[in-house]
Amino acid sequence: AQKITQTQPGMFVQEKEAVTLDCTYDTSDPSYGLFWYKQPSSGEMIFLIYQGSYDQQNATEGRYSLNFQKARKSANLVISASQLGDSAMYFCAMREGKNAGNMLTFGGGTRLMVKP
Amino acid sequence: GAGVSQSPSNKVTEKGKDVELRCDPISGHTALYWYRQSLGQGLEFLIYFQGNSAPDKSGLPSDRFSAERTGGSVSTLTIQRTQQEDSAVYLCASSRWTTLPRDTQYFGPGTRLTVL
Repeated sequence: AQKITQTQPGMFVQEKEAVTLDCTYDTSDPSYGLFWYKQPSSGEMIFLIYQGSYDQQNATEGRYSLNFQKARKSANLVISASQLGDSAMYFCAMREGKNAGNMLTFGGGTRLMVKP
Repeated sequence: GAGVSQSPSNKVTEKGKDVELRCDPISGHTALYWYRQSLGQGLEFLIYFQGNSAPDKSGLPSDRFSAERTGGSVSTLTIQRTQQEDSAVYLCASSRWTTLPRDTQYFGPGTRLTVL
């Protein structure tokens, strides 16, 4: 079974509008972390935002925020006021608790295209 | 500050040859990871190193793949007798290493390997 699922292979958004990128996850570990990365065409993975399973509040970093719904096992990324430079691949990833190693498990990604 | 660096950025080789990919982590980061990104398989974990502990090699796809980390810093990923299915982007990441899920991995620009 997929541990991280990103159901939107591609999305368009109009510049200056907000967009939500979906991510659902599957784990039985009570302690886990969720990460979002951006990968522009240059190829480098850029860390955007983190949400811990025990965090009481949704994470925010500038124009990025996480809509974390623990019971639904979803951690959707919200980008406000989209910019042309936001066009990229976006990956959701999970690190499970200390008994499951330190590697990240990634979803298949969503390609976001911002229209001027 | 300096991020994770990888070399070469591109490598073209012939089937059956050996290749070495290099990763220089962020200074002060004790954990180092290798991932592979390919069209068919997405982002896959390969191996990680943490301090003087034995590396976690659970993601290496075959015994043709090996990696070492010298002096707790630079790492080399070696692929012997390359096959066409080894063609991918090889990404290196490093982190400070904490036992909490929040241990952010920072990625290098990757090495694009093409096996002819």
